[in-house]
Amino acid sequence: GENVEQHPSTLSVQEGDSAVIKCTYSDSASNYFPWYKQELGKRPQLIIDIRSNVGEKKDQRIAVTLNKTAKHFSLHITETQPEDSAVYFCAATSSGYSTLTFGKGTMLLVSP
Amino acid sequence: DAGVIQSPRHEVTEMGQEVTLRCKPISGHNSLFWYRQTMMRGLELLIYFNNNVPIDDSGMPEDRFSAKMPNASFSTLKIQPSEPRDSAVYFCASNLFSAIGTEAFFGQGTRLTVV
Repeated sequence: GENVEQHPSTLSVQEGDSAVIKCTYSDSASNYFPWYKQELGKRPQLIIDIRSNVGEKKDQRIAVTLNKTAKHFSLHITETQPEDSAVYFCAATSSGYSTLTFGKGTMLLVSP
Repeated sequence: DAGVIQSPRHEVTEMGQEVTLRCKPISGHNSLFWYRQTMMRGLELLIYFNNNVPIDDSGMPEDRFSAKMPNASFSTLKIQPSEPRDSAVYFCASNLFSAIGTEAFFGQGTRLTVV
């Protein structure tokens, strides 16, 4: 089955700095890579996703890059704000399946 | 649509008791997932249903756990007997199956405490 590794487990930045979270996956058949944000006590919610036919996708201050050869994808948050503080999860799913395998999460703390 | 609805939101029970968690997926979604979240293990997939049929239950910890989906709008996760190590937040999620992948929507979760 799919295995997703996520680093770092915690990340502290100053407001305005950039934050980068990295994930690797094991199943070369994986073709969908979403990122979820989970605020304290709440449910995970999708913030951005990318499919295997695209190398990069951007939505305002967040962007995701995908390197299929290396089986590696990353989340980039620019101009971080205190409200970006949360746990971020990467995930991967394979063609023909619907299950999402999640990384262990990254706790991002943005200090004012 | 009200989104994925889970009940109860919180459950405190004594060790050995039966616990039943409930989930109503988003109307029209044909895939349903049960996840367990703990600090140590993160988000673990317990079981995945497609068109009400269990497709992958390899994540179900042991025979004490069982899940059913009698129809497209309802699923249950049962733990019998419950143990303190089952304490966690249990999430139900649903999506519309697609070979290219689609967003999974999560319910609010059930926080289970077994004492």
